[in-house]
Amino acid sequence: EDKVVQSPLSLVVHEGDTVTLNCSYEVTNFRSLLWYKQEKKAPTFLFMLTSSGIEKKSGRLSSILDKKELSSILNITATQTGDSAIYLCAVEAGRGAQKLVFGQGTRLTINP
Amino acid sequence: NAGVTQTPKFRVLKTGQSMTLLCAQDMNHEYMYWYRQDPGMGLRLIHYSVGEGTTAKGEVPDGYNVSRLKKQNFLLGLESAAPSQTSVYFCASTLDGVTGELFFGEGSRLTVL
Repeated sequence: EDKVVQSPLSLVVHEGDTVTLNCSYEVTNFRSLLWYKQEKKAPTFLFMLTSSGIEKKSGRLSSILDKKELSSILNITATQTGDSAIYLCAVEAGRGAQKLVFGQGTRLTINP
Repeated sequence: NAGVTQTPKFRVLKTGQSMTLLCAQDMNHEYMYWYRQDPGMGLRLIHYSVGEGTTAKGEVPDGYNVSRLKKQNFLLGLESAAPSQTSVYFCASTLDGVTGELFFGEGSRLTVL
C-alpha cells in the first residue's frame, strides 16, 4: 500500500525563524512529489518535484527531493505570520496512476 | 472565472439520509477527483474520473457513488449517510492528470448526526 508520512505534525515558531518540514514516502512507481499550502479552505499548489527536477525555489520557500532517501523537505526562511497554514505533501505513484496519495499534513503556526 | 465550485458548502444530515455533492469546473479539465479530509489524516481519495463518462475508485470508496455525465460536472452521492462520513469534502480537477497541479474547490463540510 502506498504511504506518505509527514513530520512534524505540528510546529510552532516565532516570526523570522527558519523551518524545515519533512515528507517521506513508500510507493510503487514514483512519478512526482507535490507540496500544497492549505490556509482556511482549499489547498493551493506550491511545488512539484520529479526525477528531472529535484530542487525548486520560490521566494522564501524551497524544496528538495531526495530519491535515494525517498523523502523531501520544504524549507521556509524568514517566516511570517502569513505562512501559518497546513502544509500537505502528496505523491503521484503507481502504474498508470492519475491520482495523488497525501500525507497527514504539518500544521505550522508562526507567532509574532 | 469561477475555477472549481462545490455545492453545497455546508450540510447537516441524519443517519440514513441521502444527498449529492456537486462539483463544477469551467476550465475544460479532463480529470476530476473527490477527496475527504479528516483531522490528522490528510486528504484521502474517494473516487476519480479521467474523462466524461468514466469513474474509478480511490482509497476510500465505500459508501459513496459518483457520476460524470458531463465533462464539467462530477457528482458525489451518499445513498445512506453514516456518522463516519462526517468530514470536509474537496473536489479537484486537472487538465492532464496530476503531472500538472490540482485545482481545488473550497470544500463542503458535511455533518452526519
